[in-house]
Amino acid sequence: QVQLVQSGTEVKKPGASVKVSCKASGYTFNNYAIHWVRQAPGQRLEWMGWINADVGNTKYSQRFQGRVTITRDTSASTAYMDLSSLRSEDTAVYYCARGAASTNWPFDYWGQGTLVTVSS
Amino acid sequence: QSVLTQPPSVSGAPGQRVTISCTGSRSNIGAGYDVHWYQQLPGTAPKLLISVNNNRPSGVPDRFSASKSGTSASLAISGLQAEDEADFYCQSYDISLSAWVFGGGTKLTVL
Repeated sequence: QVQLVQSGTEVKKPGASVKVSCKASGYTFNNYAIHWVRQAPGQRLEWMGWINADVGNTKYSQRFQGRVTITRDTSASTAYMDLSSLRSEDTAVYYCARGAASTNWPFDYWGQGTLVTVSS
Repeated sequence: QSVLTQPPSVSGAPGQRVTISCTGSRSNIGAGYDVHWYQQLPGTAPKLLISVNNNRPSGVPDRFSASKSGTSASLAISGLQAEDEADFYCQSYDISLSAWVFGGGTKLTVL
């Protein structure tokens, strides 16, 4: 069965960076894409960016452009989301979700989420 | 402020039918992009519930149905059950933003 397993809880200081991983299993990693979505406490889902696992091209939300970098390691079937210059407003649960090259493909499987807390 | 607008909350008694709207624009839903709906139970990750062409992942009952017209979409839930209580989000793609977008979410309360 398709599974996305994310790395564990992180606590970071303002100005630091965080890297969250998302290991995929149960399907051919290169045939799909991975999205990153975050949810601040009590807030809505917010799309951050996307990587095509096959060719490695990325697209980022304008809101995070310049601060977020999404990469993948196809040999490990793992995607990574790196967010820099952290501030308190970045405290949120970060999710990875499977997508595809098509803009119409849904976010059909989700990771369990990774809580990132930014606090001095 | 979300690109897709949903009501903050809806409620209904067990057995009733409720609908949740998702209003977009000509750069997303109106441009022909598919709309998908997600259910998020308290303290859990979202899960795909249904897509506008009524494609449901296995295990999702047909009490859930989706539709789209013009720049809006709707999720209907019939035969409400207590376990349906959750947050629901619509999602589409916006060509002007060149980004995938979510609605603000709707909290369903089963009275």
